[in-house]
Amino acid sequence: QKEVEQDPGPLSVPEGAIVSLNCTYSNSAFQYFMWYRQYSRKGPELLMYTYSSGNKEDGRFTAQVDKSSKYISLFIRDSQPSDSATYLCAMSPILTGGGNKLTFGTGTQLKVEL
Amino acid sequence: SQTIHQWPATLVQPVGSPLSLECTVEGTSNPNLYWYRQAAGRGLQLLFYSVGIGQISSEVPQNLSASRPQDRQFILSSKKLLLSDSGFYLCAWSGPPRAGVVSGSYEQYFGPGTRLTVT
Repeated sequence: QKEVEQDPGPLSVPEGAIVSLNCTYSNSAFQYFMWYRQYSRKGPELLMYTYSSGNKEDGRFTAQVDKSSKYISLFIRDSQPSDSATYLCAMSPILTGGGNKLTFGTGTQLKVEL
Repeated sequence: SQTIHQWPATLVQPVGSPLSLECTVEGTSNPNLYWYRQAAGRGLQLLFYSVGIGQISSEVPQNLSASRPQDRQFILSSKKLLLSDSGFYLCAWSGPPRAGVVSGSYEQYFGPGTRLTVT
C-alpha cells in the first residue's frame, strides 16, 4: 500500500463548477500538507500549504485537512479552463534533521471544459 | 524574490553517453536542494537531496550521481546513460533552517525541469 493515495483521473468538469480533489494517507506522522499544480511539461507550482487539521482559503482555493480520517482535500470554486492541470498532494512529518523529504501523491489530472 | 533555474530545458542523448544537468537558485542562502525524476504518468521520485555544500544524500541506487559545488548550485550527472534514465528531471529548493526548527522549511519550490530522452 502506498503511503499517499490519489485518484489519477482524468476529472472533467464544466467551467464554473466546484472541483474537489482528494488524497488519503496512511502515515499518522504527517503534519504538513501541500498542494501543487503542474501544467503539462512544466515544474510543479506550490498552491497551498497547511499545518495539521482545519481549513485554509486562498482566493478560489480551499485546502482542508482531516487528520482523524487521514484525508486531505483541495476545493476549487468557479473553476476556469486555466485550472486544467495535474494536481499533486504532498505531505511531511515534523522535521527532526536532514533534508525535508516530501511524500507525493501521483497526481490527479483535471480538465475544465468550456 | 527567489528564482530557480534549470538547464538545459530538453536533452536527447544516446545510450552510454554522459549527462550533466545543472540547477541554480537565486535570492536565498543555504537552501536545501533536491533532484526528482518524474516518469510519464507517474509521481515524483526523489533521487538526491543536499543540506549543504558537498553534502549529498542518495535516495535511490542507480547510475546517477549528484554534486553541490556551491551553496546555490546542484548538479546531476551520469557517466553512462541508460534507456531507463529517460524522464522529466526536476530540481527543487526549500528554505534554510530557521530558529526553533531543526532542518529547513517544509514547502519545496520547483524549477522548470529538464526533459531527457535517452535513445
